[in-house]
Amino acid sequence: AQTVTQSQPEMSVQEAETVTLSCTYDTSESDYYLFWYKQPPSRQMILVIRQEAYKQQNATENRFSVNFQKAAKSFSLKISDSQLGDAAMYFCAYRTIRSNSGGSNYKLTFGKGTLLTVNP
Amino acid sequence: ETGVTQTPRHLVMGMTNKKSLKCEQHLGHNAMYWYKQSAKKPLELMFVYNFKEQTENNSVPSRFSPECPNSSHLFLHLHTLQPEDSALYLCASSQDDRGSYEQYFGPGTRLTVT
Repeated sequence: AQTVTQSQPEMSVQEAETVTLSCTYDTSESDYYLFWYKQPPSRQMILVIRQEAYKQQNATENRFSVNFQKAAKSFSLKISDSQLGDAAMYFCAYRTIRSNSGGSNYKLTFGKGTLLTVNP
Repeated sequence: ETGVTQTPRHLVMGMTNKKSLKCEQHLGHNAMYWYKQSAKKPLELMFVYNFKEQTENNSVPSRFSPECPNSSHLFLHLHTLQPEDSALYLCASSQDDRGSYEQYFGPGTRLTVT
């Protein structure tokens, strides 16, 4: 079974600075998707960034970028020029793209999350 | 309204009560999900529906009973719950249940079982 580990329960960053959130995962699959989701205090979880495992190029979305190290099974999120609105719980998630026998291919496996605080 | 909505946002119920959580998506998606979010634990997938058919029950106790009358609506019927069932219940939807599609989440229902 796949597992996702976020080793940093909490992180803090100064406004305008850069912060990196760690995520590692365990899988025997060669093809899969990785996601970072953000859950602000209002509780609506939103997708921040997505990475397909077959792509070597790291995904970027404006101030958000990932460092995807497939061999190391590492998928860290870098937030540049941090803003107060970035304060939230961040979840790393894994999703296989192939159906398991007797199952399905849609199950998202989440880490426990990292609470990010942005200090003004 | 747009996106995924959930009602109620907060619910307090006794262990002998029967209540229902409602989720509605306005995105034209075909797959809908129930997740349980407890403090200091990863999100746990509970149920998945794809084109109104249940395709996943992640070993959820029978005191939780899902219902999906159409692709836009998903319910979670609750009865004789336990205090450990107190959690945030999140609904999500996606285009269908394939791995490439992003899941869109609702704001959640904060459930407290007394």
